Amino acid sequence: DAGVTQSPTHLIKTRGQHVTLRCSPISGHKSVSWYQQVLGQGPQFIFQYYEKEERGRGNFPDRFSARQFPNYSSELNVNALLLGDSALYLCASSFIPRSQETQYFGPGTRLLVL
Amino acid sequence: GQSLEQPSEVTAVEGAIVQINCTYQTSGFYGLSWYQQHDGGAPTFLSYNALDGLEETGRFSSFLSRSDSYGYLLLQELQMKDSASYFCAVNQGGKLIFGQGTELSVKP
Repeated sequence: DAGVTQSPTHLIKTRGQHVTLRCSPISGHKSVSWYQQVLGQGPQFIFQYYEKEERGRGNFPDRFSARQFPNYSSELNVNALLLGDSALYLCASSFIPRSQETQYFGPGTRLLVL
Repeated sequence: GQSLEQPSEVTAVEGAIVQINCTYQTSGFYGLSWYQQHDGGAPTFLSYNALDGLEETGRFSSFLSRSDSYGYLLLQELQMKDSASYFCAVNQGGKLIFGQGTELSVKP
């Protein structure tokens, strides 16, 4: 079975541009979460979606938005990119958003903002 | 605020045992998870503790004391492939709050 997939794997953008990152969860998983990982730090929670509804949002500006589609895949959008948005963006999926459920991470999208 | 503290680096030799500690201060706690990450790749789930005590999975064990807001990951029979970053994370209904990570170096 395929794990969590993310696209693209790498991306280079310039300040002020917009970016869309995509995530496909493990088959049967209905919950998707997004994390930002800056080099040398732990992942930081951005969003959690379940059944197409936003279930949680981390401490990120409104430039960050996301959505979940009927097939449970998800997109993360970042507008007006800043240099500080350069990071590894991770997507994680689980069957439901419950603590006992293991979250499985994708390989991430590495975003570089110049 | 919410914070998790773990050592930034740990070094050990092949075949040895190493313990990585994690203390946390969070509002709302449902469990403590541990993840392994090699060279910026996908974090891989290792263990989850919802209740006090020890959970054992092969060479890896994890312990939790909720009264002390403390947990640890124990790695036995260390192998070179265990060199990686290890993260503790408080689990809040599926939302993970991660520590800064501990970089484990295993030497021959």
